[in-house]
Amino acid sequence: GESVGLHLPTLSVQEGDNSIINCAYSNSASDYFIWYKQESGKGPQFIIDIRSNMDKRQGQRVTVLLNKTVKHLSLQIAATQPGDSAVYFCAENPRRLIKAAGNKLTFGGGTRVLVKP
Amino acid sequence: DGGITQSPKYLFRKEGQNVTLSCEQNLNHDAMYWYRQDPGQGLRLIYYSQIVNDFQKGDIAEGYSVSREKKESFPLTVTSAQKNPTAFYLCASSILGGTRGPQHFGDGTRLSIL
Repeated sequence: GESVGLHLPTLSVQEGDNSIINCAYSNSASDYFIWYKQESGKGPQFIIDIRSNMDKRQGQRVTVLLNKTVKHLSLQIAATQPGDSAVYFCAENPRRLIKAAGNKLTFGGGTRVLVKP
Repeated sequence: DGGITQSPKYLFRKEGQNVTLSCEQNLNHDAMYWYRQDPGQGLRLIYYSQIVNDFQKGDIAEGYSVSREKKESFPLTVTSAQKNPTAFYLCASSILGGTRGPQHFGDGTRLSIL
């Protein structure tokens, strides 16, 4: 079936360096994508989202890039800090009839980011 | 502050027992969701609801039941039919409509077997 997946299960990065987390998706109907951060014992926290009519969106220290040609999504974290250590999930929401299935999301398996001091 | 509250944070179930996990939101969101997360894995959808008194099965609904009597509340019952209930359970909510928006999550309930 169609799914969202991640290339790297664990990413180690030096404090102060930039991090890049990748995500591949295969559902061609996907038109809305979200990145979440999950710390141990907590629920996922929304970081940033992007719609398919855009190829780049920036937030505070984070940038999401969308390449629809190759169905690839990435999250860039600038100047990675110890507080960025967590598991990061990408999620996709296929274009649906508004009344049909709500905002169902398909989640990838997650990438653990470890920030080294 | 607006948000999603899940309780209890930790829950233990005995053999043959049904247990109910609470989820309350004050975000005025129409849609609510329940997910299960196993160690080192992503989230799998159990049930979701778009409107009061209506809900649909997700990908792993067997052994679970829900109700949506109020917009703010979406409790999940883990029944004795769920043979492997040990997991981290997450509740989420979102807006509906053309603009869509992200799902917002509570901090989860960790369920274990005695």
